Amino acid sequence: AQSVTQLDSHVSVSEGTPVLLRCNYSSSYSPSLFWYVQHPNKGLQLLLKYTSAATLVKGINGFEAEFKKSETSFHLTKPSAHMSDAAEYFCVVSDTGYQKVTFGTGTKLQVIP
Amino acid sequence: SAVISQKPSRDICQRGTSLTIQCQVDSQVTMMFWYRQQPGQSLTLIATANQGSEATYESGFVIDKFPISRPNLTFSTLTVSNMSPEDSSIYLCSVEVPVQETQYFGPGTRLLVL
Repeated sequence: AQSVTQLDSHVSVSEGTPVLLRCNYSSSYSPSLFWYVQHPNKGLQLLLKYTSAATLVKGINGFEAEFKKSETSFHLTKPSAHMSDAAEYFCVVSDTGYQKVTFGTGTKLQVIP
Repeated sequence: SAVISQKPSRDICQRGTSLTIQCQVDSQVTMMFWYRQQPGQSLTLIATANQGSEATYESGFVIDKFPISRPNLTFSTLTVSNMSPEDSSIYLCSVEVPVQETQYFGPGTRLLVL
């Protein structure tokens, strides 16, 4: 069975400071992991994905995530927050590659000017 | 990636009525998915729609309430039947892109039931 826990429902950072959005997963197999972003009144956009290649995954808009099997974590980071990063972020896990996925509860990122 | 459109983008409906949501993708795909995102919640999978077969529903969702059609490899519809205010949600379709091992999502349909 697969599950994902996003440890923070809300994160607030100042513009220009680092972003850390935390995600822990549970999976019976070698999981595929994804981060999606949802801007207000917009659809979901894929930020990045991990599918058993390099453990450090680089995505769009300067985001990256590191797969740590020993910690069952897949935290999302960005060195410097921009106002346009304010959105809701979803961590997603799949045991079966990409078809049957499970969404986390989401983390709302607020960026303070 | 895949470009996905949904119609309508939003609607306000009266309880007891039904609404059909359309999902169109710009390339042929085998699997399409329908999700519900209730206010302030995460996404929950309603069903998986493969072309040429009956949709597969997740626990808690039934065909009578959410009938799905998948007439070809680029199109699907989800109907929300006999609506109640509890059906007020965002409904999203997604498609799988096997080569990229990824799901891509449509912009969603925002439904408000009065």
